[in-house]
Amino acid sequence: ETGVTQSPTHLIKTRGQQVTLRCSSQSGHNTVSWYQQALGQGPQFIFQYYREEENGRGNFPPRFSGLQFPNYSSELNVNALELDDSALYLCASSRLTGTGVADTQYFGPGTRLTVL
Amino acid sequence: AQKITQTQPGMFVQEKEAVTLDCTYDTSDQSYGLFWYKQPSSGEMIFLIYQGSYDEQNATEGRYSLNFQKARKSANLVISASQLGDSAMYFCAMREGGSGANSKLTFGKGITLSVRP
Repeated sequence: ETGVTQSPTHLIKTRGQQVTLRCSSQSGHNTVSWYQQALGQGPQFIFQYYREEENGRGNFPPRFSGLQFPNYSSELNVNALELDDSALYLCASSRLTGTGVADTQYFGPGTRLTVL
Repeated sequence: AQKITQTQPGMFVQEKEAVTLDCTYDTSDQSYGLFWYKQPSSGEMIFLIYQGSYDEQNATEGRYSLNFQKARKSANLVISASQLGDSAMYFCAMREGGSGANSKLTFGKGITLSVRP
């Protein structure tokens, strides 16, 4: 096990609702990245947080937003849910050193979101 | 152009035999990293092996080795002595940029590996 935890495991929402997914990073890690994995596809990068600020964003609309807390845990918020938001949401933690070198990302078990 | 290409259809291997999973990549960066992850049906993405663009030796981690051919832009995963528990999806991923860049990973579409007893 990686030490990265995510909650909840599964979630069912209806179109238009809002959802918050949570991630606790591995001890010693200061960076959290979020990915969306649609069925049968590879994960797609949503955004990354480092020192509580967004540090890079993929091609996702503003209704996808996030937070990182002082203990390096993170939340992913999705507003105005659409049917296409149904996917496995993966959180990964890693360590970014003072010189900006990024270590390997370790993933949590994921949250499976179904939008009806 | 796709940054990571995994084109093999579902792969099958006999238990205890070796198997190679193909990955080609496309980048103009000089500094980049290549990763392989395993995803069982449970969904968790499990890190297997890493190869840096400046590493001269091919990476090895237990039964996993990475056949890195920089000029051909390929980073194939070799699994030796396959086990039934190796049955899963396998993803190749790339991190571009040197220090200071965000460490986002770009993934391929994955390859399904089935190990036969």
